[in-house]
Amino acid sequence: DGGITQSPKYLFRKEGQNVTLSCEQNLNHDAMYWYRQDPGQGLRLIYYSQIVNDFQKGDIAEGYSVSREKKESFPLTVTSAQKNPTAFYLCASSAGRADTGELFFGEGSRLTVL
Amino acid sequence: DAKTTQPNSMESNEEEPVHLPCNHSTISGTDYIHWYRQLPSQGPEYVIHGLTSNVNNRMASLAIAEDRKSSTLILHRATLRDAAVYYCILRDVMHNQGGKLIFGQGTELSVKP
Repeated sequence: DGGITQSPKYLFRKEGQNVTLSCEQNLNHDAMYWYRQDPGQGLRLIYYSQIVNDFQKGDIAEGYSVSREKKESFPLTVTSAQKNPTAFYLCASSAGRADTGELFFGEGSRLTVL
Repeated sequence: DAKTTQPNSMESNEEEPVHLPCNHSTISGTDYIHWYRQLPSQGPEYVIHGLTSNVNNRMASLAIAEDRKSSTLILHRATLRDAAVYYCILRDVMHNQGGKLIFGQGTELSVKP
């Protein structure tokens, strides 16, 4: 089945450690996005990529890094510089910049810093 | 980015219609109106979107005001599975790089049996 796969579903990290969240899609979509969600809040955009080897900062990019070496993959690294990394992280994709249709979301990765 | 305003919460009875309102008074001509819903601990799910005309799909209907400053998501017969947070979002793929979605707080819909 086509869709977006995020892993791991749950992740625990000690303070000061970097952690990488995986996001893979087999929808042949050009655009991919990373969002962060805190309890009781809406989603906030971290990074997005419209095409391979290109990405832009979203509203809360500090303390995060991404890469887009393959169309199918858009991993997110939460670095030790992120002051409050405990959150629910969601990856999404869409057909492309000019597409007006839907974004497809993964099931999310819940990161807890101990 | 243009903003949307939604009520924090709404209640409905099972098998009754639900009308979820959204105000977007600063909408631009190239903004598409999108609705997503999110169940607890899951990623958001696309519901419907439109530009000017009313839209229908298997999940819901979207009624857009003539001046486009407001819209209403209509669930024709609410079920317990429709209990979720509903987000009304404006998406501008012409001027908003990447066509990103800007999420607000959404409306938490509860459905009573």
